[in-house]
Amino acid sequence: KQEVTQIPAALSVPEGENLVLNCSFTDSAIYNLQWFRQDPGKGLTSLLLIQSSQREQTSGRLNASLDKSSGRSTLYIAASQPGDSATYLCAVKSGGGATNKLIFGTGTLLAVQP
Amino acid sequence: KAGVTQTPRYLIKTRGQQVTLSCSPISGHRSVSWYQQTPGQGLQFLFEYFSETQRNKGNFPGRFSGRQFSNSRSEMNVSTLELGDSALYLCASSPDSIYGYTFGSGTRLTVV
Repeated sequence: KQEVTQIPAALSVPEGENLVLNCSFTDSAIYNLQWFRQDPGKGLTSLLLIQSSQREQTSGRLNASLDKSSGRSTLYIAASQPGDSATYLCAVKSGGGATNKLIFGTGTLLAVQP
Repeated sequence: KAGVTQTPRYLIKTRGQQVTLSCSPISGHRSVSWYQQTPGQGLQFLFEYFSETQRNKGNFPGRFSGRQFSNSRSEMNVSTLELGDSALYLCASSPDSIYGYTFGSGTRLTVV
């Protein structure tokens, strides 16, 4: 059974700092991995999608890496800003067809202090 | 390009009642999934529909059901509401398996 863990559960950093959020999963047979952010009381905003054959994806100040063999993904945020404050969730999709669903981690609550 | 639209945004229902939530996916997306988010359990998968067929179902009681129409719009229904059904219900759409998901803003259901 796939389990997804995110460390740390909460993180507070001063503005301008570079930071890394971690996501680990127990079954390396994943289809893809997606990073989301969630603002309080809101839906999920997709940040980056990494297919199982890829090692990393970049979008602006965000870079996500994937190491399937070790069951790990990291989300790197460069030059953090107060607007980056949110909960960050990683989700893995294992297989397709009948197993076509996302398994979510518990999230990292990020606070960027001005 | 319109995103995923969920209606209503907020609902308050009484125990024992039933409720229907609606989701309109991005145009051209045939896969619609539903998730429940609670502080205690996090995000949990309810079910997925693809071309009007339920393709996958999570571990929820039969009180939770759904359907998808020919225009890919989806509804989920919860009957005999319990206090524990209070949650944020999120809908996500995708073209299909290899693509990522786009989520709606959710429906906040409160059962009193």
